[in-house]
Amino acid sequence: DVKVTQSSRYLVKRTGEKVFLECVQDMDHENMFWYRQDPGLGLRLIYFSYDVKMKEKGDIPEGYSVSREKKERFSLILESASTNQTSMYLCASRPSGNNEQFFGPGTRLTVL
Amino acid sequence: AQRVTQPEKLLSVFKGAPVELKCNYSYSGSPELFWYVQYSRQRLQLLLRHISRESIKGFTADLNKGETSFHLKKPFAQEEDSAMYYCALGNQAGTALIFGKGTTLSVSS
Repeated sequence: DVKVTQSSRYLVKRTGEKVFLECVQDMDHENMFWYRQDPGLGLRLIYFSYDVKMKEKGDIPEGYSVSREKKERFSLILESASTNQTSMYLCASRPSGNNEQFFGPGTRLTVL
Repeated sequence: AQRVTQPEKLLSVFKGAPVELKCNYSYSGSPELFWYVQYSRQRLQLLLRHISRESIKGFTADLNKGETSFHLKKPFAQEEDSAMYYCALGNQAGTALIFGKGTTLSVSS
């Protein structure tokens, strides 16, 4: 069974703080993704990575960066958190050659 | 441009009634379509993918390339079907899935 885990279920931060969201998968998947999920807007892709140290911008990368130093771990970084980044953040992974993505439980981030 | 449209934000039905959640897509190549479901307080999980052509939890979905649709259907809704449903499009390049905005299905007795 594919397992994607995220470091926190709930997180509360203050405006201007640097925030790290961690995601780990245990199935040796090459591809990993970060989405944010907002009511009425669905899932929007922030960044994805198809290999270690490789990253590609998604649809809404502004205000975010990512890091993939190891195959199993994909981190999302908010350099200076703002209130409009309050959201549910979903991490996903998938193997190469297969479009099916496997999701983590999500991190609900609130920026005050 | 690649796009997925789910026209209904909310669909409310009574238990035992038929359900159809609509999904239309825009993609010039050969698409791969998925339905994902998110039950309350659970992670997003795959419900169906068009290439497997199977029925899961009584749901079916047929890819109609002429109408560019992939509607999700169930003949008799159950209360446990209440959830958020997302239609998603995969492309031949194998990049990220493109998701629709989701439809909340509410089944009441």
